[in-house]
Amino acid sequence: DIVMTQSPDSLSVSLGERATINCKSSQSVLSSSNNQNALAWYQQKPGQPPKVLMYWASTRESGVPDRFSGSGSGTDFTLTISSLQAEDVAVYYCQQYYTTPLSFGGGTKVEIK
Amino acid sequence: EVQLVESGGGLVQPGGSLRLSCAASGFSFSNYYMHWVRQVPGKGLMWVSRINSDGSGTTYADSVKGRFTISRDNAKNTLYLQMNSLRVEDTAVYYCAAMAIPGPRWGPGTLVTVSS
Repeated sequence: DIVMTQSPDSLSVSLGERATINCKSSQSVLSSSNNQNALAWYQQKPGQPPKVLMYWASTRESGVPDRFSGSGSGTDFTLTISSLQAEDVAVYYCQQYYTTPLSFGGGTKVEIK
Repeated sequence: EVQLVESGGGLVQPGGSLRLSCAASGFSFSNYYMHWVRQVPGKGLMWVSRINSDGSGTTYADSVKGRFTISRDNAKNTLYLQMNSLRVEDTAVYYCAAMAIPGPRWGPGTLVTVSS
């Protein structure tokens, strides 16, 4: 099984500043079928389901603001919020969908400093 | 527009049973593997089960193996999760999900509460 390790567990960032969340997989999630990394990022606010932000590691979901970006390949991935807004306060998860069982990072709680 | 909508959650006593459904629309349901994922309120996400596109292959998390059964009806565009011998620790929001359409798609979830 692939283990997903996220860091940090929590992050306090000033409004307008950059937030960076890291995710490491225990093995490569590079799909041979399309040469893309099967890695997604989610944002979850209290009482809501996870919302897809990024998939294939760096493809932004339709409607997601361009201050969100994803990068990385193989086993190391990053979600960056370039200029934190108040509405970005949430828990963020990474997930691999390269293989079953699907696996998730433990989550990173982002707050305003 | 891709839509997944779960139903069938509720309050059940330990040892009881519940059947969840997930109605799919907006994509070729019969072409995709489908998953159930759960989340204890306030905690992280845990994969529960997967079924392949024609229903001939299934897999489960160890914690639910032998108690839960995933199935699908491609004619009705519906995914199911039969949950038997429910335990207090099965209390969670249950989501159905599909991957790579072209990205992941999730339903809003249905809450299952196991309590006496």
